[in-house]
Amino acid sequence: EVQLVESGGGLVQPGRSLRLSCAASGFTFDDYAMHWVRQAPGKGLEWVSGISWNSGSIGYADSVKGRFTISRDNAKNSLYLQMNSLRAEDTALYYCAKGAARRVVVADDYWGQGTLVTVSS
Amino acid sequence: EIVMTQSPATLSVSPGERATLSCRASQSVSSNLAWYQQKPGQAPRLLIYGASTRATGIPARFSGSGSGTEFTLTISSLQSEDFAVYYCQQYNNWPLFGPGTKVDIK
Repeated sequence: EVQLVESGGGLVQPGRSLRLSCAASGFTFDDYAMHWVRQAPGKGLEWVSGISWNSGSIGYADSVKGRFTISRDNAKNSLYLQMNSLRAEDTALYYCAKGAARRVVVADDYWGQGTLVTVSS
Repeated sequence: EIVMTQSPATLSVSPGERATLSCRASQSVSSNLAWYQQKPGQAPRLLIYGASTRATGIPARFSGSGSGTEFTLTISSLQSEDFAVYYCQQYNNWPLFGPGTKVDIK
């Protein structure tokens, strides 16, 4: 059974940093791309970032480019999102999602339950 | 820059009726289009990828069609568990979601 468990969310002040983690199990982690998708309270889904199976291809939404960094550790079956210079508009539930293939530009066939990030003073 | 739109924003349907949801891309995304279902308090679930291929375990009442810029998700006979928000997503380029269509009970 595929499982994706996010952690690392919480309340943080504007301008500070936070690192999200996603622990994956139930599939061959290094065979698939991974994504972070967020959802602000009461709003729709927003793709944040994606990384290919071997970290060779990485992409970011314009809204986070230059502030967020995605990475993965295939030996630890883990995905990360380093979030710097956080803003109030980054407040959202952050989902870790498994891509359906190795390349980054792919649909996501499994999702975690999300970790909540609240940016507020 | 691709823009994704969905219509209608809200669709009121009676159980057992057919629901037709539309998704439009501002430029061609070929068949690189997915549909997701999201219920309150739950993570999204992949329904359709490649514009028309049902994901694993998705009932046959869900079908997708279209290519290029115009796409449709059809639910042939709505069940109580189908009332939810539906999002389309293009992945021809960096992924981008549409704003969603809420399907509620008429």
